[in-house]
Amino acid sequence: KQEVTQIPAALSVPEGENLVLNCSFTDSAIYNLQWFRQDPGKGLTSLLLIQSSQREQTSGRLNASLDKSSGRSTLYIAASQPGDSATYLCASKTLSEKLVFGKGTKLTVNP
Amino acid sequence: GAVVSQHPSWVICKSGTSVKIECRSLDFQATTMFWYRQFPKQSLMLMATSNEGSKATYEQGVEKDKFLINHASLTLSTLTVTSAHPEDSSFYICSASDGSGATDTQYFGPGTRLTVL
Repeated sequence: KQEVTQIPAALSVPEGENLVLNCSFTDSAIYNLQWFRQDPGKGLTSLLLIQSSQREQTSGRLNASLDKSSGRSTLYIAASQPGDSATYLCASKTLSEKLVFGKGTKLTVNP
Repeated sequence: GAVVSQHPSWVICKSGTSVKIECRSLDFQATTMFWYRQFPKQSLMLMATSNEGSKATYEQGVEKDKFLINHASLTLSTLTVTSAHPEDSSFYICSASDGSGATDTQYFGPGTRLTVL
């Protein structure tokens, strides 16, 4: 059974700092890995999706990497801004085509 | 494109009543819809998967008689929480995909906050 872990559970940084969020998964047999953003009381916004054959994806200040062999993914946020404050979730799509989510990392970027 | 809506965005009900939550794909046909539940500070847990015109497939531990799912059209799925109790209070999120392949993307709705008194 796939398990997804995100570390740290919470992170507080000053504005402008570069930061890395970590995601690990126990079963490397996945179709893809996806990073989402969730604001308090809101749904999910998809940020980046990395197919199993890919190593990384970039969108603006965000870069996500995937290392299937080690069961790890990272989300790199450059030059963080207060508007980046949210909970970031990673989810792996298993071979049963289900998304398995981590508990998320709550990011606070202080002005 | 690829917008999914949910209604209502929040609902408060008395214990023992039933509550219906709608999930709509606004600009695409959703072959498959998913229902998730999220407790505070917890991850999203898949409750069930539904395909248009067929019965939903429930995850282990999810009572199908309590959480009734109907996917009657390619743009609408409903989740009915029957005889709701306080422990059913949670954030319910649906998602929809326009295909059934492994590489298809799920588009998520904004969620429905259910509070059972």
